[in-house]
Amino acid sequence: NAGVTQTPKFRVLKTGQSMTLLCAQDMNHEYMYWYRQDPGMGLRLIHYSVGEGTTAKGEVPDGYNVSRLKKQNFLLGLESAAPSQTSVYFCASSYPGLRSQETQYFGPGTRLLVL
Amino acid sequence: RKEVEQDPGPFNVPEGATVAFNCTYSNSASQSFFWYRQDCRKEPKLLMSVYSSGNEDGRFTAQLNRASQYISLLIRDSKLSDSATYLCVVRLRAGNMLTFGGGTRLMVKP
Repeated sequence: NAGVTQTPKFRVLKTGQSMTLLCAQDMNHEYMYWYRQDPGMGLRLIHYSVGEGTTAKGEVPDGYNVSRLKKQNFLLGLESAAPSQTSVYFCASSYPGLRSQETQYFGPGTRLLVL
Repeated sequence: RKEVEQDPGPFNVPEGATVAFNCTYSNSASQSFFWYRQDCRKEPKLLMSVYSSGNEDGRFTAQLNRASQYISLLIRDSKLSDSATYLCVVRLRAGNMLTFGGGTRLMVKP
């Protein structure tokens, strides 16, 4: 199993450009998440999904959109990139087990630089 | 005030030393607690869950103090390979989202 994969690994954008980050998981997980990680800020949740066709806002959703058309994929879109969106983006997935101790599995991250 | 607070460090320790990190959380209704490990330029990975009674996994011991709302991680006999950032993570209730602390950086020197 590949686990959680992310595409691309690194990208440079100009202000105002758009792009889509792709996350894929092969563990049949119901839940998927998009985080951003900035120095000193920890990981912050952007959007998440609790199943195919559903999405919800996290802590820092502004400037981003998401879609979960297939259970295994979770897309993060930036319609008009801004320098403040320069960050490392992590996707994660989890299976909602019977107990509250389910683990989130993270992808390797996408480093985005917006000039 | 941040929901989950950690000393960012870095903690510089020699091989073989014992080192402890603390983390405080603000929401007293939090139910689940974890330590994740993140290597430089890599993704976070679960190190261990933290149970109310405290738990141990080899050289790692995690403790939870609900009254004072803090979580601790103790690493004994530090190895060079323990060098990483340790993230304190809290969940409010089952199925709810995780809240991450900013991480504590550990550097183990020969």
